[in-house]
Amino acid sequence: QVQLVESGGGVVQPGRSLRLSCVASGYTFSSYGMLWVRQAPGKGLQWVAVIWYDGSKEYYADSVKDRFTISRDNSKNTLSLQMSSLTAEDTAVYYCARCRGDSTGRCYFDNWGQGTLVTVSS
Amino acid sequence: DIQMTQSPSTLSASVGDRVTITCRASQSINKWLAWYQQKPGKAPKFLIYDAATLEGGVPSRFSGSGSGTEFTLTISSLQPDDFATYYCQQYNSYSQYTFGQGTKLEIK
Repeated sequence: QVQLVESGGGVVQPGRSLRLSCVASGYTFSSYGMLWVRQAPGKGLQWVAVIWYDGSKEYYADSVKDRFTISRDNSKNTLSLQMSSLTAEDTAVYYCARCRGDSTGRCYFDNWGQGTLVTVSS
Repeated sequence: DIQMTQSPSTLSASVGDRVTITCRASQSINKWLAWYQQKPGKAPKFLIYDAATLEGGVPSRFSGSGSGTEFTLTISSLQPDDFATYYCQQYNSYSQYTFGQGTKLEIK
């Protein structure tokens, strides 16, 4: 069965950087787009970034553009999110999810990890 | 960017009730809408895609409908396991996915 396991969360000071990882198993990782979604405490879901199955395209939410970088290593079944210039507004549980859809790039998120908590605080 | 608005924000209902949650898009998204269920402290669970197609393993009491800008999620007969928060998500714009703000389904 599909399994997504995130890691790398923790407490980080404002302005610092943090790297999240997500290891996938149970399916052909290189055949699917992947993405990150976050959820601030007590709030709703917010899409953060998506990367195409082959890494050829990346898109970001305006709130993280130029600060976050999504990447993948298909040889290691691993998705990453490099986060920099972090602020308190980035405090959230970060989920990785699999992107299932068609060749146009439209996709829904059919499998999710358990999430990793990032707390930005001095 | 496409904005998604759900109503109501909170819904109180009893086991056995039929309930409907509405999701409206700020512009047409054709049929490119998904629904998710989330319980406290857990990751979201994928329920429905393409506005009306039930994901495998999802109980048939769940159904989705709509196209363009207005969509609904209906639960035909609420079960205790259904009390959760529900989110819609548009994927018409693949470079900017957006979720609704969520609808919390509570026990009356």
